[in-house]
Parts: sequence; structure tokens; C-alpha cells
Amino acid sequence: SQTIHQWPATLVQPVGSPLSLECTVEGTSNPNLYWYRQAAGRGLQLLFYSVGIGQISSEVPQNLSASRPQDRQFILSSKKLLLSDSGFYLCAWTLGGTKNIQYFGAGTRLSVL
Amino acid sequence: QQPVQSPQAVILREGEDAVINCSSSKALYSVHWYRQKHGEAPVFLMILLKGGEQKGHDKISASFNEKKQQSSLYLTASQLSYSGTYFCGTEDGGYQKVTFGTGTKLQVIP
Repeated sequence: SQTIHQWPATLVQPVGSPLSLECTVEGTSNPNLYWYRQAAGRGLQLLFYSVGIGQISSEVPQNLSASRPQDRQFILSSKKLLLSDSGFYLCAWTLGGTKNIQYFGAGTRLSVL
Repeated sequence: QQPVQSPQAVILREGEDAVINCSSSKALYSVHWYRQKHGEAPVFLMILLKGGEQKGHDKISASFNEKKQQSSLYLTASQLSYSGTYFCGTEDGGYQKVTFGTGTKLQVIP
């Protein structure tokens, strides 16, 4: 069966520090991968998605970047964190096709202080 | 553009029914429904493809009216475990991405 791993679960970082969040999927090949951010009490904002290795689509211009170095690995990065980067970051995968059902990882709660 | 959900929040007593609506300004290919418990990741409930289908899962069902670009989630005989925030997600048949709605916070009390 397919599983998605996301770490760390929580992270506290100072303003101006770098960020690297990692997400890996097991049990499937060539998944579509997604990064979402959720501010406290708010909805899900799509940040990046990828339909293949090295293919990244950015939805929101911001202080973040994403990379997909391997088929089942998706990384979210920042060179210098801002206070506004705080939130709940969720990685998700789908098999694509006609039913693009999103399966989410457990999430990383990021606090930038 | 983000789909709009209504109501924004609702409180139910156990056993009561609720309807959550999702409306989009764009033509839709499919509608998803997810539930998110506090502090957890969203969990998929069901997907409806265009064609006006309805679906059911236990006492939770949904409908999709593609002409009106709307979907509704029906929760009957609510249970405490139904509490959480419900999100609709819409696809417009573009680039295999889902746009999530504004969310509806549902609280079921004894």
C-alpha cells in the first residue's frame, strides 16, 4: 500500500534562517506531488506541484521554492524565512488521471519567530 | 479562484442533519470533499465527476450539479465523530490540481 512521509512534524525557526522540508512517497511510481500551506484557521493554499522529476509548477510567487530530485521525493525550501511563512505545511500525492484524489502527509507545523 | 463554501460554521446536536454547499465561478470537471480534524491533515471523503452524480458513504452523501457549478455535502444523523472542518476541492480539467474551498467548520455536540 502507498504511504507518504513528511518531516519534521514541528519546527521553530528564527526569521532569516533557511528551511528544508522533505516529503517522500512509498508504494507507487510517478506520483503527482503537491505542497500546500495552511495558515491558522484558514484554508489550503497550493504552493507548488510536480508531475515528474525536475518539473515544478509554482502557484504563488513567494519566498519559497520546491524541488523534485527523485521520483518520490519532494522538497520545500527557503533561503531566508519570513514571519509570514509560519503555518501548517502539507505534502500530498495523487496518481493523477481522471480521479485526482489528494492523499496528505501528516504535515509540518512551522513557527517562524 | 477559490470555491466558496457555506455556511462558514455550524453547530449540530447529535442526530441532526446538515448541508454544506460549495460554489465555483468556473466550469468544473470534478468535486472532491475532505474532512480535517483539528491539528491533523485533511482526509478524503468522496469525489464526484461531472454528470450530475450523487454519492454516498455511510450517512454522508454528496451531489454535484455541473450546470450550476455547485456541490452539496449532506450529513445525516450526525455523530460526534463528524466534527471537523470540511473542504470541497474542485478541478477544472486543467493541470491536475485541486483548488480547495474556504472551509466549513462543523461541530457536533452531545
